[in-house]
Amino acid sequence: RKEVEQDPGPFNVPEGATVAFNCTYSNSASQSFFWYRQDCRKEPKLLMSVYSSGNEDGRFTAQLNRASQYISLLIRDSKLSDSATYLCVVFQGTGGFKTIFGAGTRLFVKA
Amino acid sequence: NAGVTQTPKFRILKIGQSMTLQCTQDMNHNYMYWYRQDPGMGLKLIYYSVGAGITDKGEVPNGYNVSRSTTEDFPLRLELAAPSQTSVYFCASSSRQGNEQFFGPGTRLTVL
Repeated sequence: RKEVEQDPGPFNVPEGATVAFNCTYSNSASQSFFWYRQDCRKEPKLLMSVYSSGNEDGRFTAQLNRASQYISLLIRDSKLSDSATYLCVVFQGTGGFKTIFGAGTRLFVKA
Repeated sequence: NAGVTQTPKFRILKIGQSMTLQCTQDMNHNYMYWYRQDPGMGLKLIYYSVGAGITDKGEVPNGYNVSRSTTEDFPLRLELAAPSQTSVYFCASSSRQGNEQFFGPGTRLTVL
């Protein structure tokens, strides 16, 4: 089982749609969780951190479920500019400090 | 602030050649990382450093070496390039482990 596993995608959605990405992680001791965005042929950039209580930033909502070991990202009212790859990232603070990147889920938003 | 800068942006190497990928950050971050990203795959950690003079292996260190003589610079050395090292290489830095990582623009390397 992969340490961090994401929906394989790609997701093709029309403008204005709501889309949700899921991510599961294998190490129950994982401490920090993030969603990064990566545009085509560019570097990853932090989209948002994921907190236990869930958090929202404009059209983006991130949720963490520690019991089930999954993270989600919800994008409401999709824009063309949301087209990118979304990377789920997990930091393990025990059993070896390391940050693990998921393979990413590609999103295409079409007019 | 420039953030994290990497040079070169692109490079083509012949099998057996060597090269150094440069990485510099101006955020005074102690933690620096080198990743490679193959098509459709997640980032794989090659080496990381927790401060000047301290480096450690990541998940895929074979065929690479690093040094960290200053806080700012973290070069990655490829010795005896092989086609399997064709990839996009990203350097990143963070203020602490577990915090946001800031990435450079990447180096696209092809080994023929």
